[in-house]
Amino acid sequence: KNEVEQSPQNLTAQEGEFITINCSYSVGISALHWLQQHPGGGIVSLFMLSSGKKKHGRLIATINIQEKHSSLHITASHPRDSAVYICAVARYGNKLVFGAGTILRVKS
Amino acid sequence: DAGITQSPRHKVTETGTPVTLRCHQTENHRYMYWYRQDPGHGLRLIHYSYGVKDTDKGEVSDGYSVSRSKTEDFLLTLESATSSQTSVYFCAISDSGANGPLHFGNGTRLTVT
Repeated sequence: KNEVEQSPQNLTAQEGEFITINCSYSVGISALHWLQQHPGGGIVSLFMLSSGKKKHGRLIATINIQEKHSSLHITASHPRDSAVYICAVARYGNKLVFGAGTILRVKS
Repeated sequence: DAGITQSPRHKVTETGTPVTLRCHQTENHRYMYWYRQDPGHGLRLIHYSYGVKDTDKGEVSDGYSVSRSKTEDFLLTLESATSSQTSVYFCAISDSGANGPLHFGNGTRLTVT
């Protein structure tokens, strides 16, 4: 079993919909990262969090340490949000373990 | 955007040849990482560095070596490239290791024929 599991693997949404991507992990962590990768593009860091909730524009990330679970929400989704969203957890130390990613497609 | 540059961006090489990928940063960040990204596996850590001449292995380090002789450069070497090392390679930097924001390079697409 992977240490980091993301769901769903693939997600198609209509423009304007509220989107949730989930990340569950099975190990103790010191931080959790959400990353975005556009097709053929580089990787951009969206959030790093160790507790609670963070918001940036239409993106919201939450984490529940006790339940070992994090969610990434996108409000009022837009076709430009189409990308792969990757969850990564920081084990105690300086290494990250990555989820396999969620492929999001937002249709206009 | 954080100043991080990978070179080359694309490379095709033959099995058995040595290959060196370069990651250069202008941010003076302490930590530098090399990852490979393959379909079905996500990103996997090859090696990382926590300072000049200080490096450690990741989960897929076999067949790879690294060097960091100065803060701004982190080199990844495939001593004798194999087809299984065909992949997209990403470098990342951070001032605080895995507990700080990460900045990624644009990737190097390596094909070993």
